[in-house]
Amino acid sequence: KAGVTQTPRYLIKTRGQQVTLSCSPISGHRSVSWYQQTPGQGLQFLFEYFSETQRNKGNFPGRFSGRQFSNSRSEMNVSTLELGDSALYLCASSPEDSPNSPLHFGNGTRLTVT
Amino acid sequence: GNSVTQMEGPVTLSEEAFLTINCTYTATGYPSLFWYVQYPGEGLQLLLKATKADDKGSNKGFEATYRKETTSFHLEKGSVQVSDSAVYFCALRSGTSYGKLTFGQGTILTVHP
Repeated sequence: KAGVTQTPRYLIKTRGQQVTLSCSPISGHRSVSWYQQTPGQGLQFLFEYFSETQRNKGNFPGRFSGRQFSNSRSEMNVSTLELGDSALYLCASSPEDSPNSPLHFGNGTRLTVT
Repeated sequence: GNSVTQMEGPVTLSEEAFLTINCTYTATGYPSLFWYVQYPGEGLQLLLKATKADDKGSNKGFEATYRKETTSFHLEKGSVQVSDSAVYFCALRSGTSYGKLTFGQGTILTVHP
């Protein structure tokens, strides 16, 4: 079974631009979550989607948005990029809507904002 | 709110040494607890989990016991290998948002031959 796939692996953007990152969950997984990983702040929760509905959102500005499609694939968008948005963005999927079900992470998209 | 505190790193050990990485948490309700590992250039992999008090999670020689009385979930391994060198994250899940984990800051482990 293929794992969580994130594309692209690397991105370089300029301040003020916008970017879209893509995530394909493991087949059959309906829950998708996004995290931002930086050396200073560590791993921070961005948002969670389940069956195309955003179920929870972390403490990030409105420039960060996301969506989930009917096939469970998800995208996140960051508008008006800032230098501080440089980070590794991780997507995770889960097979069940259960507190005991672990998250399966992709290898991430490394975003560099210059 | 929820929070996870891991021991300060980095941790450097010789092969076959005993490993302990401390993790304590603050959470409402009865959280599920996890240890994830991250190798260079990769995402996080689930190492082990425990979903209720006194549960012991184990995998690949690593163990951790859910201690509700001390709100701890310390990671241990009796004999580390060079291939265990990675970053280790303790995490908890609480409430009904099952995709939301609260992570500790991570502990870098380096094992020398």
